[in-house]
Amino acid sequence: QLVQSGADLKKPGASVKVSCRASGYDFTNYGISWVRQARGHGPEWMGWINTNNGDTKYAREFQGRVTMTRDTSTNTAYMELRGLTSDDTAVYYCAKDELIVGAVPFDHWGPGTLVTVSS
Amino acid sequence: DTVLTQSPGTLSLSPGERATLSCRARQTVNGNYLAWYQQKPGQAPRLLIYDASTRANGIPDRFSGSGSGTDFTLTISRLEPEDSAVYYCQRYGSSILYTFGQGTKLEIK
Repeated sequence: QLVQSGADLKKPGASVKVSCRASGYDFTNYGISWVRQARGHGPEWMGWINTNNGDTKYAREFQGRVTMTRDTSTNTAYMELRGLTSDDTAVYYCAKDELIVGAVPFDHWGPGTLVTVSS
Repeated sequence: DTVLTQSPGTLSLSPGERATLSCRARQTVNGNYLAWYQQKPGQAPRLLIYDASTRANGIPDRFSGSGSGTDFTLTISRLEPEDSAVYYCQRYGSSILYTFGQGTKLEIK
């Protein structure tokens, strides 16, 4: 199971940090990917974190603006996105991945966190 | 470049009919690392097919995937009202990471 933090409203220029708490499996044996989806659009992969050693890989579109971290004591992954604009309004999902990025599709997803960016 | 183009954009069919959804890649999908997802309103995507033709756990055999190279197909036979959803293809593989198509909306009349 993946449980995500609640919906958030942010002003342009602000940052948002979304959490994803895992249960029911060994957290550090699997990676976590983050995917976002704007209303009416297809999913967009943002990046991945190796929950075992903290290595990350970010999609080119988000490099320099996103940071993914994890806390192994609470089995929680985090995604922080900075410099928000209205284009960042979307549902943000975490998904169970492997410790090697890109190796498998996503068979377990969190329920999603709606982030709204508005002044 | 890993763009995936899905067609048609919308498909409207009746219960009992068969749906054929297409996903075309700009470049060859190595290893046939191509997945299909179903997404209903307000829900996360649900994995249906991976490795182009392998059904995920618990997926009915009405759903089947085929194809190789750059052209892939999701076929849903004996359509049921609950199959109404948006369907996405996704390319994966450690060298190219992840890319999703723009989706096909399936309406069951």
